[in-house]
Amino acid sequence: QVQLLESGPRLVKPSETLSLTCTVSGGSIGTYYWSWIRQSPGKGLEWIGFVAYTGKTSYNSSLESRVTMSLDTSGNKFSLNLNSVTAADTAVYFCARGRAYSHYFDYWGQGTLVTVSS
Amino acid sequence: DIQMTQSPSSLSASVGDRVTITCRASQDMGSYVAWYQQKSGKAPVLLIYAVSRLQSGVPSRFNGGGSGTEFTLTISSLQAEDVATYYCQKYNSVPVTFGPGTKVDIK
Repeated sequence: QVQLLESGPRLVKPSETLSLTCTVSGGSIGTYYWSWIRQSPGKGLEWIGFVAYTGKTSYNSSLESRVTMSLDTSGNKFSLNLNSVTAADTAVYFCARGRAYSHYFDYWGQGTLVTVSS
Repeated sequence: DIQMTQSPSSLSASVGDRVTITCRASQDMGSYVAWYQQKSGKAPVLLIYAVSRLQSGVPSRFNGGGSGTEFTLTISSLQAEDVATYYCQKYNSVPVTFGPGTKVDIK
């Protein structure tokens, strides 16, 4: 059974960088596309971007200037960096698994609430 | 970017009722539509992909349909455990986008 688990600081100061890692267990990073999705309190779902098993990335244009994603195949994990955060970046951040040409998400992490506050 | 809407935004129905949620897109989405169920405080769960394909382990009372720019999720007989918010998603191209959600309650 594939499981995803997000980890990282729960509190980030304004203007600093939000960094999260998603560790994949029960399956391999290989052949899949790995996404980050966030949900602001009481709001809907926003796709942030993906990093593919090849290292290829694609980001939502609304966040592209601030986002970097990377893959650690040996550690079976992938990461999100979002810089210059503001209170508007406060959200539950989910990692999820998709596929090439079919970016629906069949496995999700439990989500982690990241609060941006001084 | 393709814009997506869902209707209704919320509904209340009785156990055993047939419930239908509609998702509309500003452009043709082909067969690249998925549906998710999100219970309070939990991660979304994939119900349907490719418009009508039932994800493994999902009860058969969930059905997806539609084409072009209009798609539906139907719960054939609403159960108490179906209380949740339901989201459609398009994935024919990036950016992937989700609908705003439909909250389903029991009357």
